[in-house]
Amino acid sequence: QKEVEQNSGPLSVPEGAIASLNCTYSDRVSQSFFWYRQYSGKSPELIMSIYSNGDKEDGRFTAQLNKASQYVSLLIRDSQPSDSATYLCAVNEKIKAAGNKLTFGGGTRVLVKP
Amino acid sequence: GAVVSQHPSWVICKSGTSVKIECRSLDFQATTMFWYRQFPKQSLMLMATSNEGSKATYEQGVEKDKFLINHASLTLSTLTVTSAHPEDSSFYICSARDTAGGPWDEQFFGPGTRLTVL
Repeated sequence: QKEVEQNSGPLSVPEGAIASLNCTYSDRVSQSFFWYRQYSGKSPELIMSIYSNGDKEDGRFTAQLNKASQYVSLLIRDSQPSDSATYLCAVNEKIKAAGNKLTFGGGTRVLVKP
Repeated sequence: GAVVSQHPSWVICKSGTSVKIECRSLDFQATTMFWYRQFPKQSLMLMATSNEGSKATYEQGVEKDKFLINHASLTLSTLTVTSAHPEDSSFYICSARDTAGGPWDEQFFGPGTRLTVL
């Protein structure tokens, strides 16, 4: 059973601070990793994808990947109240017959307080 | 780019009826689409993988005769919940993978369909 683990939170962050979200995965051969943001009652929205070890920055978001430790993280700089949402970590599980499925973590709820 | 639509956005039906949900990729072709279900305060659960022109692949525990999937074109997949019951009430979300999107398989999600079975 391939697993993706996240702290469910809530992670409470003051406005303007950095929110740090963590995700671990069990399948060592996973190749690609994604962070989705999901507002309450809405569907997930892709915000970051990362495939190589190291950091990837996009605006206020930075994804970090360490395949040796099977760990991927997301940093949100200058957190805004509009960043309050659930953040889902997803890992690409390559299965030829079924297409490439994503395995999702349970999500981390982030609350940014003004 | 990478827009996925779903229709309807919400539906209320009586127990025992069937409901069809459409998922369309609007600006790209999708050989593969995925159907998820999400109950309140829970994460996404993959129900099935829909492949254009072939049978869907269902996850363990998902009844293929109850959740009928058809992927007749590169831009449209449908999910039909047959003989719906109150326990089928959930948020159903589809996603699509851009056939021309390279090897990394980003999935783009539709807005979801909220099904309530009375």
